[in-house]
Parts: sequence; structure tokens; C-alpha cells
Amino acid sequence: NAGVTQTPKFRILKIGQSMTLQCTQDMNHNYMYWYRQDPGMGLKLIYYSVGAGITDKGEVPNGYNVSRSTTEDFPLRLELAAPSQTSVYFCASSRDRGGNTIYFGEGSWLTVV
Amino acid sequence: QQQVKQSPQSLIVQKGGISIINCAYENTAFDYFPWYQQFPGKGPALLIAIRPDVSEKKEGRFTISFNKSAKQFSLHIMDSQPGDSATYFCAASGGGADGLTFGKGTHLIIQP
Repeated sequence: NAGVTQTPKFRILKIGQSMTLQCTQDMNHNYMYWYRQDPGMGLKLIYYSVGAGITDKGEVPNGYNVSRSTTEDFPLRLELAAPSQTSVYFCASSRDRGGNTIYFGEGSWLTVV
Repeated sequence: QQQVKQSPQSLIVQKGGISIINCAYENTAFDYFPWYQQFPGKGPALLIAIRPDVSEKKEGRFTISFNKSAKQFSLHIMDSQPGDSATYFCAASGGGADGLTFGKGTHLIIQP
């Protein structure tokens, strides 16, 4: 059982480049999330989606974009990468809102130089 | 504004001892309080969770204590083992908000 799958695992970007972090889940979950994790700062919500075609901003959305064309996929787009976006990114999913287990992928390590 | 405050930032416990991690929240609309465990290079995984209608929940060696009036909850790991060495995050959700609000994490080391 795959759960939440993220690619790539590691990536180095140059300042100003763009890239997409891919995320797919096979649990037929309605809710999907993108978090970033910085050392000593916990996880902060970037964007989330409550279903196909619906996305909304989290706590730290600037510099990112998302789309949700299918239930399974929730890619995160970084436009014009900046050093402040160096972080570990986690995609996650849950069956519905709050009070349900949120399942995380294994993370994508991104360095912007 | 940090809505969930976690302490300590790091903790060293001897094997067989009790590990205690504390969290405090501000939003009284929160109604779900999970703890996540994260090993290096992996994503967080749900360890145990509690709702505010109970004051304690126990699963094996892991116990959550919840104090609604004080807006605090804590994780107790009994008979701590080296395999418990990880980063632990408390979190909260509810009140119409989507997703989880996380504490900053506690790096736990169990010395053999």
C-alpha cells in the first residue's frame, strides 16, 4: 500500500528557477495538504484542497501555487525559487476535515542556491 | 501568532525512564489533539490522539493527558526505549479550520 507518494525526494534549484513537486495518494481521500518543515519550526501549512477543483491558502502560501485536477494528485508549483524556500516539503492527505488521521508522505528535500 | 506551544525543544531520558512532552494551545475551538512521531528522513506518523471530552488516553506505553481548563495536553512515554528516539510534534485542529496546527517539535533522545 503506497499511501502518499512524493517526488522528487531531493532537488537542488538555482535562484529564479521553477519546479513542481508531485504528490499522489491512493486512499481516495478528499483532503490533501502541503506543509513545509524548517528546523525548529514545526510544520506550516502552505496550501490545502478539500476536493478536486478546490484549493485554498494555508499559513505560508507566498511563492507557491497548487492545482487539484483529480482526487489523487496535488502538485505544488514553486515559481521563481528563492533561498527562503529551502526546506523539506511534505504532502499529506486525510479522509475529511479535522479529527481524522492525516497521512504524510516521506518528504521532498529542496535546496535553493 | 503561535497557536500551539510545545516544550521542551529537546529532551534526553535514560532507558526505562518516563519521557514527558508538554503542549499548550490558545484556540478554544480546537477539538482534536494528535501527537505525531517523526524519524529522520521520514514523514510524521500519527502516534496517538485525544478529543477534549476525555482527560486521558492510553495506548501501550504512550499516554496523552488533557487539561481542558488549562488548555494544555501532554505526552507521556513510559519505559522509554532507544527506539523511541525521534522528533515528536503535538498538533491541534478544529474550529472550522482545515489541516493541523503544529507545535515546533521536541527532539527526544533515549540513552541506553
